[in-house]
Order: sequence, then C-alpha cells, then structure tokens
Amino acid sequence: KAGVTQTPRYLIKTRGQQVTLSCSPISGHRSVSWYQQTPGQGLQFLFEYFSETQRNKGNFPGRFSGRQFSNSRSEMNVSTLELGDSALYLCASSPRQGDNSPLHFGNGTRLTVT
Amino acid sequence: AQSVTQLGSHVSVSEGALVLLRCNYSSSVPPYLFWYVQYPNQGLQLLLKYTTGATLVKGINGFEAEFKKSETSFHLTKPSAHMSDAAEYFCAVSPTGANSKLTFGKGITLSVRP
Repeated sequence: KAGVTQTPRYLIKTRGQQVTLSCSPISGHRSVSWYQQTPGQGLQFLFEYFSETQRNKGNFPGRFSGRQFSNSRSEMNVSTLELGDSALYLCASSPRQGDNSPLHFGNGTRLTVT
Repeated sequence: AQSVTQLGSHVSVSEGALVLLRCNYSSSVPPYLFWYVQYPNQGLQLLLKYTTGATLVKGINGFEAEFKKSETSFHLTKPSAHMSDAAEYFCAVSPTGANSKLTFGKGITLSVRP
C-alpha cells in the first residue's frame, strides 16, 4: 500500500507570492492533518480535515488555509508569503478522525521563501 | 492546555549503550502520549504510544517507554543502541486521547558513536 505522498518535495518562492502544497493520504484514510516544522518553533499543528470539513485548527494566521476533496486528498495554501514561512510542511493521514489509530506522515514539502 | 518538555537537544551514546531520552508533560486531563522518530529528509514514524492501561509501553525497534503519573514523565529507553537509531526523536501529547492536534516537544537528536 502506498504511503502518504506530498508534492512537491521542494519549493522556492519569493516573499509576497502564494503557494499550494498537495497531500495524497494512504488509500482508505479519510483524515488528513498538516504540521509545520521549523528549527525555531519545532512541530506545530496547522489544521485537520475529515470528510471535506476542517475539524481542528492550530494557532496560525488566516494566510494559512486548506481544503480536502471528496477523494480525501488535501491541499494547503499559504498566501502573501513571509520569510518566516520557510519550513518543512508535513501531512499526516489516518483512517478516521479523533481515534487512537496512528498518524502516518509523508516526507514533507520543504518550502523556502526568499 | 497541554505541553511537552524534552530537556536537552542532543544526546550522544556509544553503540551498545543504553539510550534514555527524557520527556515530561503537562496536562489538565489524563494524557495520551506518543514518541515519534524522524530520520533525515523523512517524515515522522510512530515508535509507541500510551493511551490507557499498562504503564510500560513497548514499541518498534526495541524501544519502550514508561508512563509515570507521579513524575509526569514518559521517558523513552532502549537497552542497547544501534547505529541505525541515530535520528531525531519527538515526544507528543494529545488533548483528546486521540491522534488529533498533537502537541510536540522540541525534539532530541540522538547520535550513536561506533
């Protein structure tokens, strides 16, 4: 069974631009979460989607948004990029939302903002 | 609010030596605790988790952790380190007892000397 797939792996953008990252969960998984990983702040929860609805949201500005499609694939968007948005963005999937099944992480998209 | 503290950012051990990675948590409700491992340029992989029941939890790759409520700790141990254990290790706590909205510690980098 294929794992969580995130595309692209690497991305370089300029301040003020916007970016869209994609995540394809493991087949059959319906819950998708996003995390931001930076050297300074560590791993921080962005949001979680289940059945195309945002179920939980972390403490990030409105420039960060996401969505989930009917096939459970998810995208996150960051508008008006800032230098501080440079990070590894990790997507994780699980079969259901809010249970004890483990999260399966993708290898991430490394975003560099110049 | 829940939080996790991982003291120190780097631990170095010799191959064959005991591995001890410390994690202390703060939680207003019974905590659900996790240890994840991250290898370079990869996502996170679940090592083990504590939900309820037995306080000594065994995970993959020979790791185990003991939940000690009186000490608010969930330290990760492995009797004998292997070179392949070199990675970054994260302790995490869940506010809901599930896999949602994890709060991670800052992480500890484990180096293994030959």
